[in-house]
Order: sequence, then structure tokens, then C-alpha cells
Amino acid sequence: DVKVTQSSRYLVKRTGEKVFLECVQDMDHENMFWYRQDPGLGLRLIYFSYDVKMKEKGDIPEGYSVSREKKERFSLILESASTNQTSMYLCASSFGDRAFFGQGTRLTVV
Amino acid sequence: GNSVTQMEGPVTLSEEAFLTINCTYTATGYPSLFWYVQYPGEGLQLLLKATKADDKGSNKGFEATYRKETTSFHLEKGSVQVSDSAVYFCALSKNSGYSTLTFGKGTMLLVSP
Repeated sequence: DVKVTQSSRYLVKRTGEKVFLECVQDMDHENMFWYRQDPGLGLRLIYFSYDVKMKEKGDIPEGYSVSREKKERFSLILESASTNQTSMYLCASSFGDRAFFGQGTRLTVV
Repeated sequence: GNSVTQMEGPVTLSEEAFLTINCTYTATGYPSLFWYVQYPGEGLQLLLKATKADDKGSNKGFEATYRKETTSFHLEKGSVQVSDSAVYFCALSKNSGYSTLTFGKGTMLLVSP
């Protein structure tokens, strides 16, 4: 089975900190994605990547950046965390039209 | 742009009841349609999909039919179980080559014994 692993299940960070969320997939997928999930808003796409060192903005990229130095790893970076970035973050990779999701990282910014 | 609208929850049912969760979409072209399920404390899992008009996706007793004329993809199950309690997301793919998904807001299903 495809495995998408997010490095942390829960994180608590302070306002203004630089935060790294890491995601690794083990199936050699080209495409990887970062979403955030908020009650009443569903999942919203932050960034995606279709190849190493390639990235594309999703629907809500403001306040975020990403890094993809290796095919299996896709990092989401909050340059200066703010309280409105408190959310559940979900990483996914895809093959064809099928996406596989990690378990999510619940980030709280205080 | 592309969008997905699904019924708000929570939907509360007794075990063995019939389930319908409505989903409609707006899209250019011919998107693929999906239902994902999120069990408590877990990530999303693909439940079923349909890639063209009149296709029926099915899995674990759940079904949904791609209706282009009504731009709908309603999820149904004839007899729900307590273990079906979860959040269900309807989604479409933009078919941009990168398989980016546009999700609905999710519908929580609560099934009581």
C-alpha cells in the first residue's frame, strides 16, 4: 500500500516562528500536494508540486512556501506563523487521478 | 471556476437506515468525480470515483452515479452501520494533468446503534 507520512501529528508553535511541516511518500509519485482543512471550509489547496524543484500555487498560498528537493519529500513552510494558520494540514501524493493522503498535522499557533 | 457543493451535516441516522448525501458540482470540461471518507483521527481515503457521465462508482456498499445533466454525484448506501460514522467529502479533479482536487466542505455522518 502507498504510504504518505507526515512527520508530526500535533505541533504547537508561537506566533512569528518559522515552521516546517514535512511529508514523505514511498511510491515514487510525481505529484504531491499540501491542503489545509478547516471546519465548515473543507479542504483547500495551498501548493502542489509535479516534479522535483517544481511548485505551483494552489488556492490559498499566501503566508506559505514549499520545498521539493527530492521526489519523495515535500515540505510546507510557514515563514512567520500567525494564529490564523492554526489548522489541520494534510499532505497527499497522486498517481493518475488517485490521491493518497497522510494522517494530517494539527498545528496550533499561539 | 470549479466548485463542489455538498449538503451540510451532521447527518444522523440509525443503524440500517438508508443514506443519501447530496453533491453537485460546477466545472468546465469533463471532470472526474470522487467521494473521499475521513474516519476520526485519520487522513482521507478514496471511497469511490467515476470518470465519465453515467458511470457508477461503488465500494463497501456505497454507490454514486455521475449525472452530467444535473451536475450531481450523490452518495448512497442502502443500510448504514455504526462503523460508517465519518466525514464524507465530494471532490472533482481539474484534469489539468496534475490531478488537483477541488473538495466540498464535507458532511459528517453519525450512525447510532
